[in-house]
Amino acid sequence: SQTIHQWPATLVQPVGSPLSLECTVEGTSNPNLYWYRQAAGRGLQLLFYSVGIGQISSEVPQNLSASRPQDRQFILSSKKLLLSDSGFYLCAARDNYGYTFGSGTRLTVV
Amino acid sequence: RKEVEQDPGPFNVPEGATVAFNCTYSNSASQSFFWYRQDCRKEPKLLMSVYSSGNEDGRFTAQLNRASQYISLLIRDSKLSDSATYLCVVNWNSGTYKYIFGTGTRLKVLA
Repeated sequence: SQTIHQWPATLVQPVGSPLSLECTVEGTSNPNLYWYRQAAGRGLQLLFYSVGIGQISSEVPQNLSASRPQDRQFILSSKKLLLSDSGFYLCAARDNYGYTFGSGTRLTVV
Repeated sequence: RKEVEQDPGPFNVPEGATVAFNCTYSNSASQSFFWYRQDCRKEPKLLMSVYSSGNEDGRFTAQLNRASQYISLLIRDSKLSDSATYLCVVNWNSGTYKYIFGTGTRLKVLA
């Protein structure tokens, strides 16, 4: 079974600062990878998905970007954070049984 | 109409009660269906897939009604530990790579 490693668990960043969240996957090769954001009291919003190295699809226009430099590595970035970027960020990988999520990063932009 | 809709709740039920949640989806071409459980401030975890014929896993029963475009989750003999938010997830067809999540139904099981 696949395991998703995601860090850090919590992060407090000032407005205008950069962001880099990393996600790595074990136990599978060539996974489909996803970044989701969950705002307080709201549902999961798909931000990016990737079907392979260097292949990124963006779901919503936003202040964030994603990259997949290696098969099992997925990175979420921002050059300048906004207050509205606060939320719970989840990396996920999909297999035949559904999604497996990382433990998430709770980002607060102040 | 939202792609996937759930009653946000909360559903407050006593221990031992039976509770059911529904989730409606808008795209009749949807093919894969799941229920996820999310504890407070934690990541969602797969509870069960939903099969066309319906399926059961212990106290949990999931059903699919394609004609009316909804799935349901039934929990029997509720435990305190069942308190969580239950997310409905739908995939439109096996060729796409994204799943649509409902906003979740919150369940509180009371002692």
